[in-house]
Amino acid sequence: ETGVTQTPRHLVMGMTNKKSLKCEQHLGHNAMYWYKQSAKKPLELMFVYNFKEQTENNSVPSRFSPECPNSSHLFLHLHTLQPEDSALYLCASSQVRGVLGETQYFGPGTRLLVL
Amino acid sequence: AQSVTQLDSHVSVSEGTPVLLRCNYSSSYSPSLFWYVQHPNKGLQLLLKYTSAATLVKGINGFEAEFKKSETSFHLTKPSAHMSDAAEYFCVVSGAAGNTGKLIFGQGTTLQVKP
Repeated sequence: ETGVTQTPRHLVMGMTNKKSLKCEQHLGHNAMYWYKQSAKKPLELMFVYNFKEQTENNSVPSRFSPECPNSSHLFLHLHTLQPEDSALYLCASSQVRGVLGETQYFGPGTRLLVL
Repeated sequence: AQSVTQLDSHVSVSEGTPVLLRCNYSSSYSPSLFWYVQHPNKGLQLLLKYTSAATLVKGINGFEAEFKKSETSFHLTKPSAHMSDAAEYFCVVSGAAGNTGKLIFGQGTTLQVKP
């Protein structure tokens, strides 16, 4: 399998549930990202990992907890979410963070609905 | 600070006619500029990117964009629209000093292609 994959593709959860989103990249990259895409809003960068270390957290609520066990895998653990957290969550990867002109490659996203 | 403005939220063309999606950017530095496309329920796919080489950039699926520094524009064009081009298009800028990898996304332009 090539590129960036995400599972599940769709997720419905209640506000008291705990779930995890998974992202895997098969490109040999060292940087991975979580974005949130809400209707009518620009993509919002949530977290950045570079060589497995978290380098950016853009004021994301603690009910979102990322995990990067290695350069190929990225998780987003979800707990006690709110309905306004319903969105498309996109994972991306790039060769390395911070290089001018680096290209990020995106996965297909997980469509999350919080009831 | 960097920013990007997509001048049209919605563009409608007939199949076989030219496509023009407009993008203006603001950057204090020499930027990198990208166009991504997102088909329904899919992730973002890179169409093309500009990184201070040739100002006319050719991308996939017959798209191209021209970097015009004097106009701070990076408009996306295609000579002849195809039905499969119907999607959401995002203009993206990056390259601020000290944070060269951060992508700033435009609001997106929805391209409708009519038969």
